[in-house]
Amino acid sequence: QVQLVQSGAEVKKPGASVKVSCKASGYTFTGYYIHWVRQAPGQGLEWMGWINPYSGGTNYAQKFQGWVTMTRDTSISTAYMELSRLRSDDTAVYYCARAPIQLSLFDYWGQGTLVTVSS
Amino acid sequence: EIVLTQSPGTLSLSPGERATLSCRASQSVSSSYLAWYQQKPGQAPRLLIYGASSRATGIPDRFSGSGSGTDFTLTISRLEPEDFAVYYCQHYGSSPVTFGPGTKVDIK
Repeated sequence: QVQLVQSGAEVKKPGASVKVSCKASGYTFTGYYIHWVRQAPGQGLEWMGWINPYSGGTNYAQKFQGWVTMTRDTSISTAYMELSRLRSDDTAVYYCARAPIQLSLFDYWGQGTLVTVSS
Repeated sequence: EIVLTQSPGTLSLSPGERATLSCRASQSVSSSYLAWYQQKPGQAPRLLIYGASSRATGIPDRFSGSGSGTDFTLTISRLEPEDFAVYYCQHYGSSPVTFGPGTKVDIK
């Protein structure tokens, strides 16, 4: 069965970086895009961007350009999202989600990773 | 960027009642690339409806979607206890992807 398993919760200081992983199983990793969506406490869903695991190509939401980096390691079917220069309002649950190529429809989601930014 | 507005913000209903949730887009959503997700506390969202009206795999037929252009509706014909949750609409036809702010369906 399709599974996306994310890394555990993180606590970071303002100005630091965080790298969240998303390990895929149950399907061909390079056959679907991986997207990242975040959700601040009590708030809605915010799309951050995607990575094409086959080519490594990326597309970031304008808000996150220059600030987020999405990568992948096809040998272990894992995608990564790194967010730099963290601020307190980056405190959120970060989700990875699978989507068909060129169609941002999220059929499977990771369990989420809570990132807390606090001094 | 397509802005999605959902109404009402909160819907208070009893089990067995019908729920009607609305999603309005700031511009036409191409090819009805509109989806609905359900999210329960502490869980990731779950895909319910795609293409405005197609149910995702394993979704009960009490959930139905309709609409086109800029106006879309999610209907839950008879609320079950497990249906009390937050529902988000999302357009996925162009970049950037956007979500509506959500409608919370809670128990009256």
